[in-house]
Amino acid sequence: NAGVTQTPKFRVLKTGQSMTLLCAQDMNHEYMYWYRQDPGMGLRLIHYSVGEGTTAKGEVPDGYNVSRLKKQNFLLGLESAAPSQTSVYFCASSPAGNSYEQYFGPGTRLTVT
Amino acid sequence: AQSVTQPDIHITVSEGASLELRCNYSYGATPYLFWYVQSPGQGLQLLLKYFSGDTLVQGIKGFEAEFKRSQSSFNLRKPSVHWSDAAEYFCAVGPYNTDKLIFGTGTRLQVFP
Repeated sequence: NAGVTQTPKFRVLKTGQSMTLLCAQDMNHEYMYWYRQDPGMGLRLIHYSVGEGTTAKGEVPDGYNVSRLKKQNFLLGLESAAPSQTSVYFCASSPAGNSYEQYFGPGTRLTVT
Repeated sequence: AQSVTQPDIHITVSEGASLELRCNYSYGATPYLFWYVQSPGQGLQLLLKYFSGDTLVQGIKGFEAEFKRSQSSFNLRKPSVHWSDAAEYFCAVGPYNTDKLIFGTGTRLQVFP
């Protein structure tokens, strides 16, 4: 039982390049979340999904897109990376809404030069 | 405005000393309340949570937290800190009728032998 996994663990992009971060969970959770973590700012919600085929905007959605085509996967895309998107990205999943524990992946460290 | 405040950015304690980490929130109604811990290079792990009932809640690793409605606070405590408790601690709130968690900016705990 792997829990929540994230691919890749590290990535360096040049400004303007695109990439997709993959999050996978094997707990059959309905809800999935993408956060970014920056020093002194805690975790900020980018996008989330309350079920397969659904997505919604979080606190800082600009510059990112997401898709939830399969229940177990939640993809985060950067169409044209900017240095301001240098961050550590965390995916999380939970059985239902915000009264439930969120289970976090190990994170992806992204640097945009 | 709705917010979660962790006033202490960095706390240093000696091993064996007691610990209290502060968390204050500003919401219209009492939200769901959580404390998460993040070890270096890792994702977040739930320590404990409060929904209703007994205002003193017990968590993993010997941690407890007390909800005080009058102060809009949910402070985390541990009677005797171990070196392995060195980590970053995040308070989070889940407002009613939303699907989201709002995280504080975190408190980094350093433990000296």
